[in-house]
Amino acid sequence: EAQVTQNPRYLITVTGKKLTVTCSQNMNHEYMSWYRQDPGLGLRQIYYSMNVEVTDKGDVPEGYKVSRKEKRNFPLILESPSPNQTSLYFCASSLSTGGNTEAFFGQGTRLTVV
Amino acid sequence: GESVGLHLPTLSVQEGDNSIINCAYSNSASDYFIWYKQESGKGPQFIIDIRSNMDKRQGQRVTVLLNKTVKHLSLQIAATQPGDSAVYFCAENGDMRFGAGTRLTVKP
Repeated sequence: EAQVTQNPRYLITVTGKKLTVTCSQNMNHEYMSWYRQDPGLGLRQIYYSMNVEVTDKGDVPEGYKVSRKEKRNFPLILESPSPNQTSLYFCASSLSTGGNTEAFFGQGTRLTVV
Repeated sequence: GESVGLHLPTLSVQEGDNSIINCAYSNSASDYFIWYKQESGKGPQFIIDIRSNMDKRQGQRVTVLLNKTVKHLSLQIAATQPGDSAVYFCAENGDMRFGAGTRLTVKP
């Protein structure tokens, strides 16, 4: 089954403790992207990757890192989480960007930083 | 790509009525548009798409209309059901940036 898988689904952590949220897709998609979703603000893009070893900042990259060592994986890293990073996070992938392709989203990761 | 904007953040309709969700876009060169539906606690999912060589495309209970003259897109849902309650997003040309979406609430 074609899917985007995020882990964990739920995470509660403390300020300053490094964490990684994993994202994996099995569709051989080139494009992957991370978003955070806060009430009333919709989906805001954090980072995206157009292919292996190519990553770029989205609209809200501060406090986050990503890597794209393999095509299928695109982990989101919070080196020193803070309470303002409490949010619902989504990973997405698409065959390419700028073309006629839809995006596939993961199930979401609800992160709470205390 | 340019961000796609939405006219209304919330829409409330009675069960059984038709719903219309609107979307404005700014890139006149866009030639492909998608509507996504996001149910509570889930990731957005593809509903329907339309290419710029079409004005209208119909799905099972959904219809998307494209007006390239005024750069406007709409999603029409016929006989709205409680299961249609969700946030709806539009996107253009595979752009992976989204606006706030429109929250549709269906009243029983």
